Amino acid sequence: NAGVMQNPRHLVRRRGQEARLRCSPMKGHSHVYWYRQLPEEGLKFMVYLQKENIIDESGMPKERFSAEFPKEGPSILRIQQVVRGDSAAYFCASSQATDTQYFGPGTRLTVL
Amino acid sequence: DQQVKQNSPSLSVQEGRISILNCDYTNSMFDYFLWYKKYPAEGPTFLISISSIKDKNEDGRFTVFLNKSAKHLSLHIVPSQPGDSAVYFCAARASSSGSARQLTFGSGTQLTVLP
Repeated sequence: NAGVMQNPRHLVRRRGQEARLRCSPMKGHSHVYWYRQLPEEGLKFMVYLQKENIIDESGMPKERFSAEFPKEGPSILRIQQVVRGDSAAYFCASSQATDTQYFGPGTRLTVL
Repeated sequence: DQQVKQNSPSLSVQEGRISILNCDYTNSMFDYFLWYKKYPAEGPTFLISISSIKDKNEDGRFTVFLNKSAKHLSLHIVPSQPGDSAVYFCAARASSSGSARQLTFGSGTQLTVLP
């Protein structure tokens, strides 16, 4: 039973480029969450999605960031026109209904 | 405004002894609490949770205590093992709020278990 998968594990982008982070939830999980961890800080909630629906995006920056969880395929976190401050570890988690959230290994984004 | 606080950035404990990690929260809407362990370059791993209707939950070497009146919870690991060395995050959820699914994390405590 595979856990939450994230790819790529490491992503390097130059300022102004786009970053696409992918997350495949655990088998049987239909709820996906994205969190961001800045250096020396805890994880901060960004967005919660179910299939084809954004349920709670209260933690998402208003500009440049978007997320989707299509009917088929992984969830995607997209960051347009990246800036140095976007450098962080981005973690995806999945759950069944209100159950415990299980995390993936993360994508470490570095913006040069 | 940090709603979940872990005031000790680090803790060192001798192998075989008890490790006690502390967490305080300010939001009285929080009613479900979790502890995660995180190794470098990996994602957080779920350890144990507790609902606000309980004051204690135990799973093997791990016990979580909740003191609602003090808005304080703690994770006890006994006996501590070198493999327990990791960053421990406390997280909380407000199940009846509009953001019921989001977890609010503390900043973590680095536990080092010395052989």
